[in-house]
Amino acid sequence: DQQVKQNSPSLSVQEGRISILNCDYTNSMFDYFLWYKKYPAEGPTFLISISSIKDKNEDGRFTVFLNKSAKHLSLHIVPSQPGDSAVYFCAASFDQTGANNLFFGTGTRLTVIP
Amino acid sequence: DARVTQTPRHKVTEMGQEVTMRCQPILGHNTVFWYRQTMMQGLELLAYFRNRAPLDDSGMPKDRFSAEMPDATLATLKIQPSEPRDSAVYFCASGSNSGIVAYNEQFFGPGTRLTVL
Repeated sequence: DQQVKQNSPSLSVQEGRISILNCDYTNSMFDYFLWYKKYPAEGPTFLISISSIKDKNEDGRFTVFLNKSAKHLSLHIVPSQPGDSAVYFCAASFDQTGANNLFFGTGTRLTVIP
Repeated sequence: DARVTQTPRHKVTEMGQEVTMRCQPILGHNTVFWYRQTMMQGLELLAYFRNRAPLDDSGMPKDRFSAEMPDATLATLKIQPSEPRDSAVYFCASGSNSGIVAYNEQFFGPGTRLTVL
């Protein structure tokens, strides 16, 4: 049973506009959330994370929002650039103490149109 | 430039054959993960090790899959016998866990694309 869900398999956005990628989870015990980006023929790379005690974390053009009551998080990319075109995976963990088992969503393919 | 390496990058084999995938984690990382990427399930955890000891292999079909860490620089994932439904990309990832609240990043290798005919 998928505990982390990304219901949009794909998203297309014009360059310069905002990209919003969504993620829902079912287990309220998740304590830490991460976004990974994946280019073709490469492994996923870490993008940004957020602890359950926060509702927002920002890193340059990337901001992750967490709504614990709704069990929902989102990744905002502003402004979107063609190089952001990739598959984005949302992931969740029960533990913040370093590398632990991550539960991944199925991914959202973002295409940024020049 | 520290990175996780995986071999082979591609593997085509016939049903029933044994497949061995190898992973070299980043030096100093004490936790190693094996994931499988499929279209339907996304990235699913197969097994992971901490300090070379298996912590969780519940995601692995036990009758045909096995994972080991012969030493701190090598992790292996074996499938015997392989089946067409095992066709997927297999990723290894490594990270550090010191038992204190810390950055939870895992570093992924480039993956092994397995095709079982």
